[in-house]
Amino acid sequence: IAGITQAPTSQILAAGRRMTLRCTQDMRHNAMYWYRQDLGLGLRLIHYSNTAGTTGKGEVPDGYSVSRANTDDFPLTLASAVPSQTSVYFCASSRSGTDTQYFGPGTRLTVL
Amino acid sequence: GQNIDQPTEMTATEGAIVQINCTYQTSGFNGLFWYQQHAGEAPTFLSYNVLDGLEEKGRFSSFLSRSKGYSYLLLKELQMKDSASYLCAVIDSNYQLIWGAGTKLIIKP
Repeated sequence: IAGITQAPTSQILAAGRRMTLRCTQDMRHNAMYWYRQDLGLGLRLIHYSNTAGTTGKGEVPDGYSVSRANTDDFPLTLASAVPSQTSVYFCASSRSGTDTQYFGPGTRLTVL
Repeated sequence: GQNIDQPTEMTATEGAIVQINCTYQTSGFNGLFWYQQHAGEAPTFLSYNVLDGLEEKGRFSSFLSRSKGYSYLLLKELQMKDSASYLCAVIDSNYQLIWGAGTKLIIKP
């Protein structure tokens, strides 16, 4: 089934640990995005990639890194997790930067 | 700064009509999206407006006035399954998508 998948579904992580959230799409979309969603704050863009091999910083990039080695995958890494990174993380993709974005099911991350 | 305003929460009755407003102040405008998000789920696309006027899609319609920086989402014949958050998002002049915080819609029988 065409779409976008994320892993893990949820994770509890000790502060200071490294964590990679995975995102894969099979729609051959050029653009991919990582958002975090916190209660009352809406979706905030962490990092994005307009095409394979390029990445850019969003509104809240500190503490996060991404890579885009190919069209399908866009992993998000927390180098040293902190409790303020407790959130729901959504990956999204779109055909281009101005097209409709399609979202993965999300990863619920708790940092203790 | 860039800003998108939506009411935090609205309540409506099953079978009725509800209008969810969105006002925006952004650096430029290249389109406006409405998304629906059920609790614990991902946002899903509802509508896209880039020109002024009304776009109708079944029970849902979306209106845009670029001169007023204003949009609304109109939901008719409300059903219990319409209970969700509705997110307004604007593409700015840098082709970045700016998101509102969302409106939580509660449907009562």
